[in-house]
Amino acid sequence: GEDVEQSLFLSVREGDSSVINCTYTDSSSTYLYWYKQEPGAGLQLLTYIFSNMDMKQDQRLTVLLNKKDKHLSLRIADTQTGDSAIYFCAESMGPLGGGNKLTFGTGTQLKVEL
Amino acid sequence: SQTIHQWPATLVQPVGSPLSLECTVEGTSNPNLYWYRQAAGRGLQLLFYSVGIGQISSEVPQNLSASRPQDRQFILSSKKLLLSDSGFYLCAWSPGDYNSPLHFGNGTRLTVT
Repeated sequence: GEDVEQSLFLSVREGDSSVINCTYTDSSSTYLYWYKQEPGAGLQLLTYIFSNMDMKQDQRLTVLLNKKDKHLSLRIADTQTGDSAIYFCAESMGPLGGGNKLTFGTGTQLKVEL
Repeated sequence: SQTIHQWPATLVQPVGSPLSLECTVEGTSNPNLYWYRQAAGRGLQLLFYSVGIGQISSEVPQNLSASRPQDRQFILSSKKLLLSDSGFYLCAWSPGDYNSPLHFGNGTRLTVT
């Protein structure tokens, strides 16, 4: 099936770490992605990880992949108010006639409080 | 570097009127192009994708159509809008490699009244 699940809301204090979780169902997914959407804007690609990796770090962002449990997480260190947004995980379902068919989660609204 | 442009940013149209949303990509050639709709501020639904000029595939049956008259131009259209067509429409592109991530435009907020 094609079902990517995320919790709807997360609230953290400024300076703390945020961990956004995602579960997916297609074990054949090759790439998994994290996108950020600020109010009224499009989706901004944050990072992505190949399915044969366990972890990827990019500055304040750390992606962890547990392929056995089909669980993906995004950790944001030292969370700032500018990190407040909706975060989407997405899995690649494979070729789309040459394109890339992505299935998106429902998004997690991250609220950063002072 | 590559950029993607969508316009208009917002649009209010009456029921039964036509629609034309435009998306262009710069800085790349032969991109894969996509139209998504985001309802209720969350879920993204793939509407159309195109892997080349004149090649359009539809993912879901609906009141909308898409066209790709030029390599880097993707247009979303409707002859008669319905109330249910209201939503946030996002255009995206990706390189030819099917594993490459999608890059999104800033979206068009469509309200059908």
